[in-house]
Amino acid sequence: QVQLVQSGAEVKKPGASVKVSCKASGYTFTRYYIHWVRQAPGQGLEWMGMINPSGGSTRYPQKLQGRLTMTMNTSTTTVYMDLSSLNSEDAAVYYCAREWSRGYSDGYHDGLDVWGHGTMVTVSS
Amino acid sequence: DIQLTQSPSFLSASVGDRVTITCRASQGNTKNLAWYQKKPGKAPELVIYAASTLQRGVPSRFSGSGSGTEFTLTISSLQPEDFATYYCQHLDSYPCTFGQGTKLEIK
Repeated sequence: QVQLVQSGAEVKKPGASVKVSCKASGYTFTRYYIHWVRQAPGQGLEWMGMINPSGGSTRYPQKLQGRLTMTMNTSTTTVYMDLSSLNSEDAAVYYCAREWSRGYSDGYHDGLDVWGHGTMVTVSS
Repeated sequence: DIQLTQSPSFLSASVGDRVTITCRASQGNTKNLAWYQKKPGKAPELVIYAASTLQRGVPSRFSGSGSGTEFTLTISSLQPEDFATYYCQHLDSYPCTFGQGTKLEIK
């Protein structure tokens, strides 16, 4: 079945970096974009960016530019989210999610239909 | 950037009630609008995409409507498993922002 399996929980010190992986299976990896979404304790969902596994192009929100890097490995069907210069506001559960589309070239972006289980990132000195 | 504003932020209702949540976009012509259900400790689940299309496997008591800048999610007869937080998200452009969420609680 289609699934996204994320790496395990991380504990990092302020100023450090964290790299979370998301392994896709059960579908053609290069066909659908992968997004990252996070939820800090008691807060709502925050969109962190996306990567197109067909070519590797990325889009990030302005507030994370310079600290966030998304990469992928097509041979292992894995995407990675690397966030540097961590601070307390980065403590959250991080999710990867597949963007379903009936056809990107026709302008369809049909929501995030498959999600990873989430990876908790704790930032503490 | 497109901003999404949900209302209400909190909603108290009973099993069997009909409830409606609204999501307003700061810019018009939004068409790739999705709704998610989020329960504590679980990943979000896609409920509606393209503003009004029910995701496969989601009960038919859920429906979505709207176009342009105003969208709604309606649950026709609340079931105990529907009490959760609901988020709208647009995917028309980047950043693909979420609304702030609507927490649906049992009255």
